[in-house]
Amino acid sequence: KAGVTQTPRYLIKTRGQQVTLSCSPISGHRSVSWYQQTPGQGLQFLFEYFSETQRNKGNFPGRFSGRQFSNSRSEMNVSTLELGDSALYLCASSLQSNYGYTFGSGTRLTVV
Amino acid sequence: QQQVKQSPQSLIVQKGGISIINCAYENTAFDYFPWYQQFPGKGPALLIAIRPDVSEKKEGRFTISFNKSAKQFSLHIMDSQPGDSATYFCAALSGNTGKLIFGQGTTLQVKP
Repeated sequence: KAGVTQTPRYLIKTRGQQVTLSCSPISGHRSVSWYQQTPGQGLQFLFEYFSETQRNKGNFPGRFSGRQFSNSRSEMNVSTLELGDSALYLCASSLQSNYGYTFGSGTRLTVV
Repeated sequence: QQQVKQSPQSLIVQKGGISIINCAYENTAFDYFPWYQQFPGKGPALLIAIRPDVSEKKEGRFTISFNKSAKQFSLHIMDSQPGDSATYFCAALSGNTGKLIFGQGTTLQVKP
């Protein structure tokens, strides 16, 4: 059974640019959540999607957005990148949103 | 009230010893408490999880102890091995939010 797949694994972007990250959940999983991981702030929740609907959002500015497609694949977008957006972005999926989440290996974003 | 506090920040244990990591929470709406293990360059991997109607859960060398009245839970790693050296995160989730609140993490080093 394939795990959660995130692409790309690494990205280097310039301040002011935008970026789109992709996540393919485990087959059959309908809940997809995104997290930002930094050494200073740890793991912070960005948003959760279930059946193409965003049901919960963390305390991040509107520059961070996402969506989920009918096949449960999800994308997150960060516009007008800032240096502080450099982080490991993790996607996680679950059968139900009150159960164990399986994480992908993440996308390492570096903003220069 | 959404915080999960984890201690210690780092832990060094001899091979064969017991590693103990503690977490405390405030939000009584939390109803699912997982522990994750993360190796460098990888996403967090679900290790073991518990719901508040159970006081203890054991899977192999890993045990969660849960104290609902004290709002605390802990991870015990028996017979710790060098391969257990990783960062461990406790987390909490409430209802169908899909939102995991993570502790700050504990870096465990098991010396041979």
